[in-house]
Formats: sequence, C-alpha cells, structure tokens
Amino acid sequence: GAVVSQHPSRVICKSGTSVKIECRSLDFQATTMFWYRQFPKKSLMLMATSNEGSKATYEQGVEKDKFLINHASLTLSTLTVTSAHPEDSSFYICSARDRLQGNQPQHFGDGTRLSIL
Amino acid sequence: AQSVTQLGSHVSVSEGALVLLRCNYSSSVPPYLFWYVQYPNQGLQLLLKYTSAATLVKGINGFEAEFKKSETSFHLTKPSAHMSDAAEYFCAVSGSGTGNQFYFGTGTSLTVIP
Repeated sequence: GAVVSQHPSRVICKSGTSVKIECRSLDFQATTMFWYRQFPKKSLMLMATSNEGSKATYEQGVEKDKFLINHASLTLSTLTVTSAHPEDSSFYICSARDRLQGNQPQHFGDGTRLSIL
Repeated sequence: AQSVTQLGSHVSVSEGALVLLRCNYSSSVPPYLFWYVQYPNQGLQLLLKYTSAATLVKGINGFEAEFKKSETSFHLTKPSAHMSDAAEYFCAVSGSGTGNQFYFGTGTSLTVIP
C-alpha cells in the first residue's frame, strides 16, 4: 500500500536551532502534501498545504517565515522550523495524497517529535 | 465549509463489549469521510473510508462505519472490543479533489477495560 516516510522521527535540539523535517511519498506521486501539528491530547491542526513547484498555502495564524515549506518534487516536501524555541516543541505530521487517485485518503507519515530545550 | 464533530472525547468499554465512536459531519458538497486510528507517538493509520459507494463500510481490525446522510453521521463500530483497540480515533471529512484538505474531529480516546 501507499507509504509516506517522515524523517527524522525524533529531534532534540537547543533553542535557536533550525530543524528540517522531510516527508517522502515512497510509491506514489503527490502534487499536494499537508503539514500538521499536534499538541498533546489534541487533534491535528493543519499548518499548511504544500504544493509541488509553487508556494505553500499557510493556514491563518501560522507564521510562514517561521515554518518554511519546500515541495521541490512530486515525492518530497520539507518543513523547516527556523530559530526554534521551546514553544515550537510539538508532534509534527505530514500527509500526502496520490495525485492520480482523487477518491483516496491521505496517507500519513509516522510523525516527528520535536523537543526544543 | 466542512467540519466534523466527535461526541465524547473519552470512551471506555469492557473487553468484548461493543465499541461505538460517534462522528457527525457538516459539508456543503458530497463528502468523503474517513476514520483514522493513532497509537502513542505514531502517525495516523487509515481504518476505513467512505467515498460515495456503499454506505456501510468495512475496515481493518473488525471496524465498520455506516454513512447516514439523513443524520449526517458516520459512526464507527466494532462488535467486540480488544485490548489492542485502545488508541485515539479521529474522524475526518474532505471533498473529492486531490488537493482538498482534510478536516479532523477533535478525536476520541478509547480505553478498553480488561
């Protein structure tokens, strides 16, 4: 079945560091990928929609200069948390949808646990 | 506009008992509906989906859900709970386009009592 690989699974770093998270669709092409943030015991909050070859669409309240998204190919999107601070600590999850399968669900990565000290 | 409401943030059932997790949706277009399960520190795994075919949808691990347009509901059920079913469950709605985003419910935490 469709697989989305997200890397790294866990990151611990100092405040002020920039962190890059990769999201890859392994056996399908994804024109669109989605980035979510999940707080403990909470639902997924959509941060942005990543579009291959164009700028990402950010949800209201999400700082585009803080959370940089690049979708350079049909199988890879990256999220960079710039100058991370403790309040950026969270569980980040990406998802992708097969561009040829309009009625198919989003396939999710296993998430990245980001901890900023 | 689309949204889902999951009634009950926490549900506890005894092992072997019926599992019923509620989801009601709101959508201005014919919806696609999904149930996902999340285990601690993991991503979301698809349980089942409704995409305008059969209204009774069977998924993995013995779960099923029925799309009821008149009630705008898509409740998730399983006849007999197993300890391994303990997890967080999310209902989601989207439109049919590949670029359409998903709208998730707030989740229901299922506890299975031995």
